[in-house]
Amino acid sequence: DAKTTQPNSMESNEEEPVHLPCNHSTISGTDYIHWYRQLPSQGPEYVIHGLTSNVNNRMASLAIAEDRKSSTLILHRATLRDAAVYYCILSRGGANSKLTFGKGITLSVRP
Amino acid sequence: DTGVSQDPRHKITKRGQNVTFRCDPISEHNRLYWYRQTLGQGPEFLTYFQNEAQLEKSRLLSDRFSAERPKGSFSTLEIQRTEQGDSAMYLCASDREFETQYFGPGTRLLVL
Repeated sequence: DAKTTQPNSMESNEEEPVHLPCNHSTISGTDYIHWYRQLPSQGPEYVIHGLTSNVNNRMASLAIAEDRKSSTLILHRATLRDAAVYYCILSRGGANSKLTFGKGITLSVRP
Repeated sequence: DTGVSQDPRHKITKRGQNVTFRCDPISEHNRLYWYRQTLGQGPEFLTYFQNEAQLEKSRLLSDRFSAERPKGSFSTLEIQRTEQGDSAMYLCASDREFETQYFGPGTRLLVL
């Protein structure tokens, strides 16, 4: 499976935008980029995913580099409830879409 | 709430005992996954079902672990002769092909 690289941690101020980077230099043409987040003592929560084009939903935006070797999850206005571990994951989709998680990036939000 | 549910949410057992966890996926999802998560790590894939067929098992799934999905709906994960190293969060997820995978809240196991 192609791997992703994320910083260990990041801090943000409440109500400010947050940009969470992810590198995936060995991504293949059929790999989707997924982001999940996990709050303490909860299961992972789907955030967003994309293939080539930038994506927006009610939770976040996903900016994908033109060469697809990196991507950035953008939280437009961080709240205290956004403090979580964010995982960037590549998945082929289709048959058996098991997800391979790394350690993720721990986002702290300062009031 | 029509999300993935897991039962129990917490389980404390003594070493050597057997435990069984249940997962109820989203009703229209035909694919079901089990993952295990230890402290400070991301979830690790254990096994995958499509309908009632178990199609893939990780080498993490030792002989003491068995999973079933008898009617293609709910699934059970049993751990026999538990060891302290089995202490972890056990997560269940479900999806349909080409659709988003959704996770349950997990079952936290503590083996004393």
